[in-house]
Amino acid sequence: DAGVIQSPRHEVTEMGQEVTLRCKPISGHDYLFWYRQTMMRGLELLIYFNNNVPIDDSGMPEDRFSAKMPNASFSTLKIQPSEPRDSAVYFCASTLDTSGSTDTQYFGPGTRLTVL
Amino acid sequence: ILNVEQSPQSLHVQEGDSTNFTCSFPSSNFYALHWYRWETAKSPEALFVMTLNGDEKKKGRISATLNTKEGYSYLYIKGSQPEDSATYLCAFSGSARQLTFGSGTQLTVLP
Repeated sequence: DAGVIQSPRHEVTEMGQEVTLRCKPISGHDYLFWYRQTMMRGLELLIYFNNNVPIDDSGMPEDRFSAKMPNASFSTLKIQPSEPRDSAVYFCASTLDTSGSTDTQYFGPGTRLTVL
Repeated sequence: ILNVEQSPQSLHVQEGDSTNFTCSFPSSNFYALHWYRWETAKSPEALFVMTLNGDEKKKGRISATLNTKEGYSYLYIKGSQPEDSATYLCAFSGSARQLTFGSGTQLTVLP
């Protein structure tokens, strides 16, 4: 299996522009998570999906952030408009619900976003 | 807000030394405690998942213990090697599906 795939790996954009991050989970996994990693706050959960349905988006920082999962093999995280404080590494992770909350999450390589 | 704390924040050891660090987490609504290894410029990689009080897990030179009653877990590395240099993250899993991560212990093993 190719693992969790994220694109792009690096994104540099200017303040005010729209940014779209993409994730392909491991085939067969039914949970997908979006995380943001910053020096100040560490690794924080933004939103997660189960069977393509958003379950908890309480970690999404504000209305400028939105996430979708149109099908089981694709999810997007969009920031519009982007701001310099959004600069971070964004990780996607997926898991298969086999044993409840003990399931290991498998992380993608991350997208390093820089907003100038 | 769940409080998952790791100590120390960073650690430098000499090659061959054994070391350990701590993760503390809420003792209520506990489902699992996860340990991840995170190398620079890579993605976090799962090491262990522990669910039962008193659990001990081992993977090569790395082992972990769990105390759910007092809310802590230890990660041990025996005979550290430079390739062990990484950030070690613990994550608490409660009744919901999401993981709450600690801030990590950054380990540097000096040759």
